[in-house]
Amino acid sequence: DAGVIQSPRHEVTEMGQEVTLRCKPISGHNSLFWYRQTMMRGLELLIYFNNNVPIDDSGMPEDRFSAKMPNASFSTLKIQPSEPRDSAVYFCASSFEGSPDYGYTFGSGTRLTVV
Amino acid sequence: AQSVTQLDSHVSVSEGTPVLLRCNYSSSYSPSLFWYVQHPNKGLQLLLKYTSAATLVKGINGFEAEFKKSETSFHLTKPSAHMSDAAEYFCVVSEGSSASKIIFGSGTRLSIRP
Repeated sequence: DAGVIQSPRHEVTEMGQEVTLRCKPISGHNSLFWYRQTMMRGLELLIYFNNNVPIDDSGMPEDRFSAKMPNASFSTLKIQPSEPRDSAVYFCASSFEGSPDYGYTFGSGTRLTVV
Repeated sequence: AQSVTQLDSHVSVSEGTPVLLRCNYSSSYSPSLFWYVQHPNKGLQLLLKYTSAATLVKGINGFEAEFKKSETSFHLTKPSAHMSDAAEYFCVVSEGSSASKIIFGSGTRLSIRP
């Protein structure tokens, strides 16, 4: 398995532009998580999906952020419009909930810079 | 409510000496506990996990951790540090058998002196 795949690895965009981050979870995993990591706040859970359904989006900072999971093998995190304070590394992770041997597998992250 | 505290934000050891990264947790239920490592500009990699089996858990790269319920601790250790161990380490707690709600510690940066 190639692991959790995120794209792009790096994104630099101007303030006000729309940004879309993509994630392909591990095949067979039924839970998907989006995290944001900054020096100031560490790792923050933004949203997680179970069986493609958003379960908890309380970590999404504001309405500019939205996430979708149209099928079991793909998810997007969109920021519109982007702001400089959105600059961070965004991680996607997947797991198989319900298994006694579960664990979270993280992607390599997308480093977002909004200028 | 569950929580996790990593007692040291930065630990520095000499190469070849033991490593101890401390983690204390709080949980209302039987927790599952994890240690993740993050090398610079990389994603998080699972080092080891405790899910109510053996209390001494062995992970990758020679790391191990011991679950001590009486002390609510899950400290990470390694007998002999290697330069490649320099990274950020996160202790993670999850309640019950659900992967849905996990709490990350604030992280401990491990530096290795030559």
